[in-house]
Amino acid sequence: QKEVEQNSGPLSVPEGAIASLNCTYSDRVSQSFFWYRQYSGKSPELIMSIYSNGDKEDGRFTAQLNKASQYVSLLIRDSQPSDSATYLCAVNPTAGNQFYFGTGTSLTVIP
Amino acid sequence: GAVVSQHPSWVICKSGTSVKIECRSLDFQATTMFWYRQFPKQSLMLMATSNEGSKATYEQGVEKDKFLINHASLTLSTLTVTSAHPEDSSFYICSAREPGQETQYFGPGTRLLVL
Repeated sequence: QKEVEQNSGPLSVPEGAIASLNCTYSDRVSQSFFWYRQYSGKSPELIMSIYSNGDKEDGRFTAQLNKASQYVSLLIRDSQPSDSATYLCAVNPTAGNQFYFGTGTSLTVIP
Repeated sequence: GAVVSQHPSWVICKSGTSVKIECRSLDFQATTMFWYRQFPKQSLMLMATSNEGSKATYEQGVEKDKFLINHASLTLSTLTVTSAHPEDSSFYICSAREPGQETQYFGPGTRLLVL
C-alpha cells in the first residue's frame, strides 16, 4: 500500500467552478500535511500546509483534514485557467523526517 | 516564503562526464536539504536527504557513489552526477527546510540532458 494516494485524474472543471482534490494516507500517526502545485516543466510550489483537523482557508484555497479518516483535501473556489496544473499532496509522518508525496492529480480548468 | 535557488537551470553534457548541481537557500539557513529526481509524466522521487556537516542519507536504489552529495554549509548543498549516462537525463530538484520547520521549499530545478 502506498503511503500517500491521489487520484491521478485528469480532473476537468469549468472556469468559476469548485475543484476538489483528494488525498489519503496510510500512516495514522502523520502530523503534517502539505499541498503543492506543479506547473508543467516547473518545480513544485507550496500552496498550503495543514496540521489540525478541520478546514484551513487561504484565499480561494481551502485545505481540509480528517485524521480519523486519514484524508486530506484541497478545494479551489472560482477556478481559473491559471490553476491548471498538477497538485501534489505531501505527508510528513514524523517531524523532521522526509515527506511522502502522492503521484499528483492533474487539473485542467476549462475557460 | 523561503527562497531556494538552483544552478544551473539547464545542462547538456556528453556521456561519461560529471555534472555538479548547486542548491542554495537564499534567505534562511537550511540544516536539511533534499534531492529529488523527476522523469517526464512521473512523480517526484526522493534520491537523498542532505544534512549539513554529515553524510547524506540515500534512498534505496540510489547509488551513493554515482550521485555525490555535499552539504558543506548551512546554505549550500551540491549534487554531482558522476560519469553521467543518457539514462541519468532527468529533472533534478532540490528542496530545503528551515530549522525547526517542516515545510519544504523547492528550488526551480535543473534539467540534465546527457548525450
